Amino acid sequence: EAGVAQSPRYKIIEKRQSVAFWCNPISGHATLYWYQQILGQGPKLLIQFQNNGVVDDSQLPKDRFSAERLKGVDSTLKIQPAKLEDSAVYLCASSLLGGQGVGEQFFGPGTRLTVL
Amino acid sequence: GENVGLHLPTLSVQEGDNSIINCAYSNSASDYFIWYKQESGKGPQFIIDIRSNMDKRQGQRVTVLLNKTVKHLSLQIAATQPGDSAVYFCAEILFTGANSKLTFGKGITLSVRP
Repeated sequence: EAGVAQSPRYKIIEKRQSVAFWCNPISGHATLYWYQQILGQGPKLLIQFQNNGVVDDSQLPKDRFSAERLKGVDSTLKIQPAKLEDSAVYLCASSLLGGQGVGEQFFGPGTRLTVL
Repeated sequence: GENVGLHLPTLSVQEGDNSIINCAYSNSASDYFIWYKQESGKGPQFIIDIRSNMDKRQGQRVTVLLNKTVKHLSLQIAATQPGDSAVYFCAEILFTGANSKLTFGKGITLSVRP
């Protein structure tokens, strides 16, 4: 079974530039998550999709971050404009179940973003 | 979130010994707990989970213990191997309305000495 795919794996940009990350979840997984993992910390949920609808985006800095999941499959996360403190690994995860069906979340390898 | 800095606590064990990794969780209302393993350059990988109405669950070479009285979770790894070297995170799940929210705790680095 293919895992969660993410691209690019690494990205270096200057502050105030824009960047976009792409995620392809495991086939058939209804729920997709984006996490931000700052060095030395655990992942922090940014946004959760159930199919193509947003379930939780309470921790997404909406003034600069946006995400979409067109057709309920692939997803993109965008930062515009980037700040130095956005340097982190951005992880995408997917799970078969959503809601209160606690399904195992499968994580992709992440995109390491460095903002200079 | 809480800033734990760049350096994670490290547990160093001898290959073949048993490892015990501890975690203090924050929300007494959490319904479910999971241990994740994260190797360098990879995303977290599920190890084992436990529901809040249980106090022990065993897997292959791993055991999770839950003490709700003191909000403490531990992961025991039997006969630790070099491949177990990684950062380990505990995570708690809270059911909120029709949804569930996963919150990661602080990570601990496990280093296995050959």
